[in-house]
Amino acid sequence: AQKITQTQPGMFVQEKEAVTLDCTYDTSDQSYGLFWYKQPSSGEMIFLIYQGSYDEQNATEGRYSLNFQKARKSANLVISASQLGDSAMYFCAMISPYNNNDMRFGAGTRLTVKP
Amino acid sequence: DGGITQSPKYLFRKEGQNVTLSCEQNLNHDAMYWYRQDPGQGLRLIYYSQIVNDFQKGDIAEGYSVSREKKESFPLTVTSAQKNPTAFYLCASTGAGTGELFFGEGSRLTVL
Repeated sequence: AQKITQTQPGMFVQEKEAVTLDCTYDTSDQSYGLFWYKQPSSGEMIFLIYQGSYDEQNATEGRYSLNFQKARKSANLVISASQLGDSAMYFCAMISPYNNNDMRFGAGTRLTVKP
Repeated sequence: DGGITQSPKYLFRKEGQNVTLSCEQNLNHDAMYWYRQDPGQGLRLIYYSQIVNDFQKGDIAEGYSVSREKKESFPLTVTSAQKNPTAFYLCASTGAGTGELFFGEGSRLTVL
């Protein structure tokens, strides 16, 4: 069974600094996709970044990058130049075609950006 | 604009009443999902549907029911059998491609 682990319930970062949010996953599948979503206090889920298991390069989307280490089964999210608007819950998630492509989520990390 | 619409956004009900949450999408996506989120926690899968007239149970289906009579619609009924229904409910859909989920804005259900 797939399992997503986010070990940091809460993180603090100073505005304009970089922060890394940890995510490890457990799967026996060879083909899978990894996602990060942001959930502000309003509740909507905002897609940030995607990494395929066969992608050789780490994914990047603006200030977001995904540090993908396949052998360690980790997919950490790096946010550069933090902004006050980055304060939110962040969820790591995974899908696999061998699991009917239903997306499984970690417990989340609450990021607070300090001015 | 294309997207997913959930209604109502807030709902209060008495214990023992069934409640139906609406989810409509105009993204032409085949697959649709319902998740439950409790305070400070991640999302747990209730039900999902890969195609019209077909759906499967997720991890916490007990006390819930769904239907998928139209591609655009995937309503969730929270029945009186659900022991702790107060939660935030998120509907999502996905099309072909990476499998990225597109989410609605959620429905917050409070059972008094």
